Amino acid sequence: SSELTQDPAVSVALGQTVRITCQGDSLRRYYATWYQQQPGQAPLLVIYGKNNRPSGIPDRFSGSSSGNTASLTITGAQAEDEADYYCHSRDSSSNHQLFGGGTKLTVL
Amino acid sequence: QVQLQESGPGLVKPSQTLSLTCTVSGGSISIGSYYWTWIRQPAGKGLEWIGHIYTSGSINYNPSLKSRVTISLYTSKEQFSLELSSVTAADTAVYYCARLDWRDSGSFPSYYFDSWGQGTLVTVSS
Repeated sequence: SSELTQDPAVSVALGQTVRITCQGDSLRRYYATWYQQQPGQAPLLVIYGKNNRPSGIPDRFSGSSSGNTASLTITGAQAEDEADYYCHSRDSSSNHQLFGGGTKLTVL
Repeated sequence: QVQLQESGPGLVKPSQTLSLTCTVSGGSISIGSYYWTWIRQPAGKGLEWIGHIYTSGSINYNPSLKSRVTISLYTSKEQFSLELSSVTAADTAVYYCARLDWRDSGSFPSYYFDSWGQGTLVTVSS
């Protein structure tokens, strides 16, 4: 099916590690991309490809993939990491683009 | 670093056509292998891909919007545009323009939106 599924909400204690997951058939053919969105702002690219971070993204953000599941891991979560996170990939059967429904991360 | 900026009316009446323009600066819209993309986000909801136009001019639309959407490229103006016809209140959203890049390395290809406009709120109301 042409969709990406994310948990709606995840929480993590300050300084701990959290994993945000994304599932979909397209992830068997394309890497997931991850975006962080703060309230009132445009999404920000944080992870793309196998595990690539754009310039300026802290190395506590990392990505991985296995089968139909991609994960974004934040190692040592900070207060400023509290945001919505979206996964994205190309559709497996067309050139359309897919977004997950988003995960709201709360840092306790 | 390329920058994108949306512009257009913030209020559109029901049944009319929503028209937005994205101006690209800091790089040429006709150079490279990029997909120039429109994405929208209703208040409190997730991101929805509307469609994109490739540097070569080929176009793809979200099937759910395809009958109402037109995306065009204006290389001489370094702009691309979105037209969405027969709008309803359900089309009220923040509309973003973005650049989609891609690479084919590692085990799989990767597509990623590396540059975004700030977004513009379009409200459909009479």
